Amino acid sequence: RKEVEQDPGPFNVPEGATVAFNCTYSNSASQSFFWYRQDCRKEPKLLMSVYSSGNEDGRFTAQLNRASQYISLLIRDSKLSDSATYLCVVNIWGSMRFGAGTRLTVKP
Amino acid sequence: NAGVTQTPKFRILKIGQSMTLQCTQDMNHNYMYWYRQDPGMGLKLIYYSVGAGITDKGEVPNGYNVSRSTTEDFPLRLELAAPSQTSVYFCASSGGGPLNIQYFGAGTRLSVL
Repeated sequence: RKEVEQDPGPFNVPEGATVAFNCTYSNSASQSFFWYRQDCRKEPKLLMSVYSSGNEDGRFTAQLNRASQYISLLIRDSKLSDSATYLCVVNIWGSMRFGAGTRLTVKP
Repeated sequence: NAGVTQTPKFRILKIGQSMTLQCTQDMNHNYMYWYRQDPGMGLKLIYYSVGAGITDKGEVPNGYNVSRSTTEDFPLRLELAAPSQTSVYFCASSGGGPLNIQYFGAGTRLSVL
């Protein structure tokens, strides 16, 4: 089993749609959790950290369920500029583990 | 606003050649990392360092070496390049702590032919 697994995608959605990405992790010792965004042929950039209480940043909402070892990202009112690959990342004692990423394409 | 700087941006190697990928950060971060990313795949950790003089293997260390003589620099060495090492290499740094948010360099695209 992979340490971090994500929806395989790709997701193709129209502008204005709401889209949700899921991620599961296998190591219960995981300490912190993130969503990163990666544009084509660019480096990953932090989108948001994920907390058990859930956190929101504008149109983006992230949720963590430690009991189920599950992380989610919800994007509301999708924009063309949201097109990218979204990486689920788990921190295990300073060693980061990345999911393979979910590709999102937002179409006009 | 330098952050994490990687050089070179692109490189083509012949099988068996050696090279060093350079990485430097100006954020005084203790933690530094090297990843590789193959097409359509996630990032795989090659080596990481929690401070000057300390390095440790990640998921895919074979064929690579690292050193960390200063806080700022974390070079990655390929001794005998193989086609399987064709990939995009990213260096990252972080301040550690509970969140350990990582900041990435722009990457080095390496082809081994």
